[in-house]
Amino acid sequence: QSVLTQPPSVSGAPGQRVTISCTGNSSNIGAGYDTHWYQQLPGTAPKLLIYGNNNRPSGVPDRFSGSKSGTSASLAITGLQAEDEADYYCQSYDSSLSGSVFGGGTRLTVL
Amino acid sequence: EVQLVESGGGLVQPGRSLRLSCAASGFTFDSYALYWVRQAPGKGLEWVSGITWNSGNIGYADSVKGRFTISRDNAKNSLYLQMSSLRAEDMGLYYCAKDGIKYTISSHPHYMDVWGKGTTVTVSS
Repeated sequence: QSVLTQPPSVSGAPGQRVTISCTGNSSNIGAGYDTHWYQQLPGTAPKLLIYGNNNRPSGVPDRFSGSKSGTSASLAITGLQAEDEADYYCQSYDSSLSGSVFGGGTRLTVL
Repeated sequence: EVQLVESGGGLVQPGRSLRLSCAASGFTFDSYALYWVRQAPGKGLEWVSGITWNSGNIGYADSVKGRFTISRDNAKNSLYLQMSSLRAEDMGLYYCAKDGIKYTISSHPHYMDVWGKGTTVTVSS
């Protein structure tokens, strides 16, 4: 059971918009700790997608965006493409665990 | 090109030890904290351990505390993870990752902007 809760799966058709939620509590996201997002394509290492809640590293398309509100964070993907099919993970810090925590991951399927 | 390359994984019996290495290139190694993150087969990501740029702060997940030891050699641009008393639940792909911020003082990652391809650890008799 992950401290950060993500839906196991989401899906969307090409061109559509999807969002992936990451729900925490007052010890992690709600305490003001930043949320970061990673994309893991099949058979590859994770790749940083969003850092500091809503910042994109160089090279990440602006179709990807992040937001945070209260005890939750969200990743939005617009103009869905087949190559976006992957697992997505959120990550933050938890003060009660005194450690870095990941969400359980969300598998995105492009229909 | 910024690169992290893990090595040292393999098949090991329960209770035995294994040492993982991570060779870095393409960035000022001694300016960044480094981490080990693992992924059990078919499962999600788990932060395992972290070490600051100057080895001044080291941290471990509760699941490995007392069994794993992280270290780094800034002269060799290398990160290590000494794993002992290995268990079946330690099995998985071990990634080396770099913090995105220089000179952090926490052993827990802010965010990890560079990852290696991973090395596989199999624990079985």
